[in-house]
This record gives sequence, structure tokens and C-alpha cells, in this order.
Amino acid sequence: NAGVTQTPKFRVLKTGQSMTLLCAQDMNHEYMYWYRQDPGMGLRLIHYSVGEGTTAKGEVPDGYNVSRLKKQNFLLGLESAAPSQTSVYFCASSYPQLVGYTFGSGTRLTVV
Amino acid sequence: QQQVKQSPQSLIVQKGGIPIINCAYENTAFDYFPWYQQFPGKGPALLIAIRPDVSEKKEGRFTISFNKSAKQFSLHIMDSQPGDSATYFCAASMHNQGGKLIFGQGTELSVKP
Repeated sequence: NAGVTQTPKFRVLKTGQSMTLLCAQDMNHEYMYWYRQDPGMGLRLIHYSVGEGTTAKGEVPDGYNVSRLKKQNFLLGLESAAPSQTSVYFCASSYPQLVGYTFGSGTRLTVV
Repeated sequence: QQQVKQSPQSLIVQKGGIPIINCAYENTAFDYFPWYQQFPGKGPALLIAIRPDVSEKKEGRFTISFNKSAKQFSLHIMDSQPGDSATYFCAASMHNQGGKLIFGQGTELSVKP
């Protein structure tokens, strides 16, 4: 089992460019999440999904969009990247019961 | 009310010591409290978790102590080893909130040989 796979692992964007981060899980998890990790701020929830075709905003959703067209995939889009979006992005998935997340290995994004 | 506050920000202990990391929360509706361990360049991994109906949980060298009245919980690492050097995050969640975890700010632990 691969678990949670994130692509790409690294990316450098110029201000104003767009990109999509892909998250794929093979554990048949219902719930999926996108977090960003910044020094001294822990992990902050961007968007999440409780099932195929559903998404909801988290703590810091501005500047991001998401889609969950298939149960196993959760896409995070940046329409017009800003330097403030420089961060490490983590995708996670879980069962509906509160039994813990499985995280991907992260995408390190730099916006210049 | 959704915040989880974690301290200290960093911690250095000698091998065999017992580092303690503390977290505090405000929202009494939280009913699931996990701890995650993260090594450099990796995603966080679930270490141990507790629910508010128990005051302590042990798994190997890791123990969570939970004080419901004080709205605080802590992680203790017994007989710490250099391999325990990592960043530790506490978190909290409610069962009716889509499984969303609210994370603390993280504690960078260094265990010296």
C-alpha cells in the first residue's frame, strides 16, 4: 500500500502563476484534508472533504480551491500564487471515526 | 475557542530523560486528542491518542496525561532516546466536525546522546 501520495514534492512558482497539487490515497478513506505547515504555526487546515463531490472550508481557505471528483483524489489549486503561500503543504486522509489521519510526505512550495 | 496552545516551542533533554510537552484547549466540545510525531522531510505520523473519559494512556514509552477540568493534556516520553528527536504536535477534534483536527504550534525535541 502506498498510503497517501502527494505530487509534486517540490515546486517553485512565480507570483501570479497557478498550479494544482494532487493528493491520492489508496485506503478507501472517506475524509480528506489539506493543511499548510509554517514555522511556529503548526498545521493549519485549508480545505477538507467528507466524501466524493463534497468540500468545505477550513481555517485558512483564501487563495485556494479544491475538488474531490473521485473518492481517492483530492486536488488543491492555487489560482494566482502569492509569496504568502510559500509553505509546506500536507494532504491527509482518515475514516469518519476519529482514529487518526494518514499524512502524505508533503509538497514544498516556494512562490517568488 | 478553536485554538490549541502547545508549549514549549523547543526542548532539549539528555538521553534517558523524560521530556514533557503540554497542551491546553478552550473548547469543551473537543472529544479526541491525538499526538503526532514528525521527522524532518516527512509527514506527521500518529503517535498516541486519548479520549476525555480517561485520565491517562500509555503506549510503550509514550504516555498521555489528560486533565479534563483544567482543559490540559500532556505527552511524556519515558527513557528518551536520540531517535525520539523530532517535532511533536498535539491536536484536538470533535466527532461531529468532519474529523477536522486543530493542531498546536509544535514542539521541536532534541535528545542528546
